[in-house]
Amino acid sequence: GESVGLHLPTLSVQEGDNSIINCAYSNSASDYFIWYKQESGKGPQFIIDIRSNMDKRQGQRVTVLLNKTVKHLSLQIAATQPGDSAVYFCAEIAAGGTSYGKLTFGQGTILTVHP
Amino acid sequence: DSGVTQTPKHLITATGQRVTLRCSPRSGDLSVYWYQQSLDQGLQFLIQYYNGEERAKGNILERFSAQQFPDLHSELNLSSLELGDSALYFCASSREAGGPYEQYFGPGTRLTVT
Repeated sequence: GESVGLHLPTLSVQEGDNSIINCAYSNSASDYFIWYKQESGKGPQFIIDIRSNMDKRQGQRVTVLLNKTVKHLSLQIAATQPGDSAVYFCAEIAAGGTSYGKLTFGQGTILTVHP
Repeated sequence: DSGVTQTPKHLITATGQRVTLRCSPRSGDLSVYWYQQSLDQGLQFLIQYYNGEERAKGNILERFSAQQFPDLHSELNLSSLELGDSALYFCASSREAGGPYEQYFGPGTRLTVT
């Protein structure tokens, strides 16, 4: 039968632009959120994390914003470079109960940076 | 190189068979996580072990099992394989059982079931 694949959102930017990748999460009880980058043929790579008691966290060229009111997470990449081209995933982690520690991943966004 | 190793890199087997995937965490990491990544399901968390004990369970089928050994390496056993089990299987490790959750992923094992 016909296979149905995920249709990932895509974002195309020019080198040097700032990129914003968005993620909606599902569990209001999630305690911890992570952004991963996955390049073609490689495993996911940790980028940055944020706890639910924060609304912003900055790393090197990246900033994560958390809006718990609307259950939204974003990753901002400053001065995007061709090497940033990859699939970006957000993940949420349950704080407690039977789902404690369980990671749930978003579907991913394909970022393409044009030189 | 994340420091996490996985073997084998590729595995081709037939339906109904059983396979074992192996993972060695980064030196000093006590937690091991297993993930499945397929085209139609995306990245799915399967199971986590911490220092030999099961810590958290995700979408792991009953046909699948895992364990973490005293030397902290882990194995994921997949049995009665079906075509739909074809996927990339990733192992990740982290220092702690809980936060911070900075996980380091291995290169993955690509399983093809024919």
